[in-house]
Amino acid sequence: DTGVSQDPRHKITKRGQNVTFRCDPISEHNRLYWYRQTLGQGPEFLTYFQNEAQLEKSRLLSDRFSAERPKGSFSTLEIQRTEQGDSAMYLCASSHWTSGSNEQFFGPGTRLTVL
Amino acid sequence: GENVEQHPSTLSVQEGDSAVIKCTYSDSASNYFPWYKQELGKGPQLIIDIRSNVGEKKDQRIAVTLNKTAKHFSLHITETQPEDSAVYFCAASYFGNEKLTFGTGTRLTIIP
Repeated sequence: DTGVSQDPRHKITKRGQNVTFRCDPISEHNRLYWYRQTLGQGPEFLTYFQNEAQLEKSRLLSDRFSAERPKGSFSTLEIQRTEQGDSAMYLCASSHWTSGSNEQFFGPGTRLTVL
Repeated sequence: GENVEQHPSTLSVQEGDSAVIKCTYSDSASNYFPWYKQELGKGPQLIIDIRSNVGEKKDQRIAVTLNKTAKHFSLHITETQPEDSAVYFCAASYFGNEKLTFGTGTRLTIIP
């Protein structure tokens, strides 16, 4: 399967702990996006990268959140000092922007539960 | 920023009937409108999209229409089947700023 993959699929942590999620985009996709989805809502944009450059961050992305894409391939999203309000599904998507396409392909997500 | 409203939030139709989901957007600069289907425990899957230079697009049983003047677009599913049961999301973005703004979703249930 050559789709977007995310790891782990589920994460349970205690309030105050740090967590890190990984996303592997579709090969040769140069844009990578992070979204957050809470129950009963649509995904909300967090940040995106073109190659290794982080081009935009949402105001939703507090200073406890940091994302990286060091070699322009996989990306990590870290949440420090987790809070119960961080409980959500974290979705990663990728696209091949140079083709002029806006099509974003999503991974299965990482469900975070903060106790 | 962009705001996308979607309705209805839930929709039940008899198998074989048609289903229509409607969305409105606020930013006239938006020019790309995808529709995603999300099944339980999975990420959203792109099912069809439309760009602002086109008024309608069809792919087998699925069609999308766009009215730029009124700033609304709709998803039409004909001859519905049980496997169409899922949550559907509309979204909007514009070229040069491809972050997607999603609607709140429609839970579609197909009654056998």
